[in-house]
Amino acid sequence: DTGVSQDPRHKITKRGQNVTFRCDPISEHNRLYWYRQTLGQGPEFLTYFQNEAQLEKSRLLSDRFSAERPKGSFSTLEIQRTEQGDSAMYLCASSLVAGGVRYGYTFGSGTRLTVV
Amino acid sequence: GNSVTQMEGPVTLSEEAFLTINCTYTATGYPSLFWYVQYPGEGLQLLLKATKADDKGSNKGFEATYRKETTSFHLEKGSVQVSDSAVYFCALSNTNAGKSTFGDGTTLTVKP
Repeated sequence: DTGVSQDPRHKITKRGQNVTFRCDPISEHNRLYWYRQTLGQGPEFLTYFQNEAQLEKSRLLSDRFSAERPKGSFSTLEIQRTEQGDSAMYLCASSLVAGGVRYGYTFGSGTRLTVV
Repeated sequence: GNSVTQMEGPVTLSEEAFLTINCTYTATGYPSLFWYVQYPGEGLQLLLKATKADDKGSNKGFEATYRKETTSFHLEKGSVQVSDSAVYFCALSNTNAGKSTFGDGTTLTVKP
């Protein structure tokens, strides 16, 4: 297994454009998470899936953000009508949750979004 | 809600010095606690974890003990190396909840 893969690594877009990021998790993991990280801050939760079901979405997340995980495999995060405040590193992570025990996240390398 | 507070950095140490990075938390119930590390130019990696009170997580010479009475999970290493230079994040997760809550990270620089 090659770990968690994210694509693209970097994205520069003009304000108002839509962008989509992809995450391929570790195949044995049943949960997939999206986080956002800005400079000097820790990762901030956006949303997560268990298999194909989206179980929680941050209340801080505007309706311009949407995430999908068709068939419980890869996931996409779309940002519509991007704003300069959306500039950040978008992190994907996967984990195994079994028997009520968390085994910690495996993170991808992230997608760095710059909105100009 | 849940929160994690880490000591502010940056922390600069000489090689072979003793390291402590403080982490305290606020959470409902009995969360699992984690330390993640981010080396320059790389993604976050799980360093160690503890799932219940008095558990000690350890990895690569780093240790942290889950102290419920002080709601703390301080990271320690007896002798740091230059290669330990990184950003360290403390995090918690309620066992059956989805999300983790992260601290803001502490940057460690180890000089030869």
